[in-house]
Amino acid sequence: GIQVEQSPPDLILQEGANSTLRCNFSDSVNNLQWFHQNPWGQLINLFYIPSGTKQNGRLSATTVATERYSLLYISSSQTTDSGVYFCAVAGNTGKLIFGQGTTLQVKP
Amino acid sequence: EAGVAQSPRYKIIEKRQSVAFWCNPISGHATLYWYQQILGQGPKLLIQFQNNGVVDDSQLPKDRFSAERLKGVDSTLKIQPAKLEDSAVYLCASSSVRDTQYFGPGTRLTVL
Repeated sequence: GIQVEQSPPDLILQEGANSTLRCNFSDSVNNLQWFHQNPWGQLINLFYIPSGTKQNGRLSATTVATERYSLLYISSSQTTDSGVYFCAVAGNTGKLIFGQGTTLQVKP
Repeated sequence: EAGVAQSPRYKIIEKRQSVAFWCNPISGHATLYWYQQILGQGPKLLIQFQNNGVVDDSQLPKDRFSAERLKGVDSTLKIQPAKLEDSAVYLCASSSVRDTQYFGPGTRLTVL
């Protein structure tokens, strides 16, 4: 099956700093999503991005499908950005395979 | 647009007891998923439905877990009997066919 690796596993930032999270995957995919899991456990959709670049406010994402990686950029981080960020990919079946996540802590 | 609804939000049971979780997907979404998330890990798919039919249940422990989706809308996931290692958050998600998956708030299960 498809393997998904995320890096770094943990990240501590000062408020206002920028960061880049990486997701590598082992096979071609039809679906790639980035999620933010808040402290209450809710998985919040950030991007549906099997290829290309998207931006939403302070967040943007780029997926280079031919090289099998995706990047999530967080600019001007805020304490509310803290939590776990997951990358998940799916092949033809639609079944999402999640990475282990990046735990982000933003300090005031 | 209403999101994916799940209930209950929390459940504590003794081992060997049974438990059931309920999910109501986003209206019009044909595909429904149940995931299990153990603390410190990413969610893992248990079962995927397309309308009434099962698409993938390869990681569902069928000796104790069962799921159904009546009339292609609501779904229930049951565990009988529960084991300690079933303690986890159970997440329901729905999507239009192979599109963005939207997740519900989850049910946090503790087995004592």
